[in-house]
Amino acid sequence: DQQVKQNSPSLSVQEGRISILNCDYTNSMFDYFLWYKKYPAEGPTFLISISSIKDKNEDGRFTVFLNKSAKHLSLHIVPSQPGDSAVYFCAASLVGSGNTPLVFGKGTRLSVIA
Amino acid sequence: GAVVSQHPSWVICKSGTSVKIECRSLDFQATTMFWYRQFPKQSLMLMATSNEGSKATYEQGVEKDKFLINHASLTLSTLTVTSAHPEDSSFYICSARSTSGLGNEQFFGPGTRLTVL
Repeated sequence: DQQVKQNSPSLSVQEGRISILNCDYTNSMFDYFLWYKKYPAEGPTFLISISSIKDKNEDGRFTVFLNKSAKHLSLHIVPSQPGDSAVYFCAASLVGSGNTPLVFGKGTRLSVIA
Repeated sequence: GAVVSQHPSWVICKSGTSVKIECRSLDFQATTMFWYRQFPKQSLMLMATSNEGSKATYEQGVEKDKFLINHASLTLSTLTVTSAHPEDSSFYICSARSTSGLGNEQFFGPGTRLTVL
């Protein structure tokens, strides 16, 4: 049973436009959500996170939106740049669950076309 | 802060040999580390949770006698692939969660590419 789902395996966006990556979760106990970016042959790097007490968190070109009632979050990248081309993983956790791993989605491959 | 290193970054070995991969948290202590495996074009697959001073917890379908995990200190976990076979060729990634102060993120190492001939 996949608790974190990224239903779009890939996404192509023109440079300068907005990239929207979506993520759905099923476990209503999750209260902290993260996005990671991964380039080929490298480990994932943390991008941005959001606590369940918020519905939006912004960091430069990256904004994460959380809709708890829909169990849905999204990552917006604007404007998109060619260097943003990577695989993006959505992850979820329970606050204070330091001994348990984050639950990851399968990832969405973003291609930003110049 | 929050840097995780892995060594080696890549290794090629003959079938039947054993390979050890090290994962270190460089600037924080990690009571828990995680080992993942990634096949080409696929998601991260959690293999096991490594707990300092105790036995690792393996995910279903992961052979604990084949993938030996040792977490001897708060900054070091090792994964040993025993009697490696070509199907073990993959990209292995470790991650760590801090014991304090660094929130809920997991910090990932750069990965180790294993090729078994």
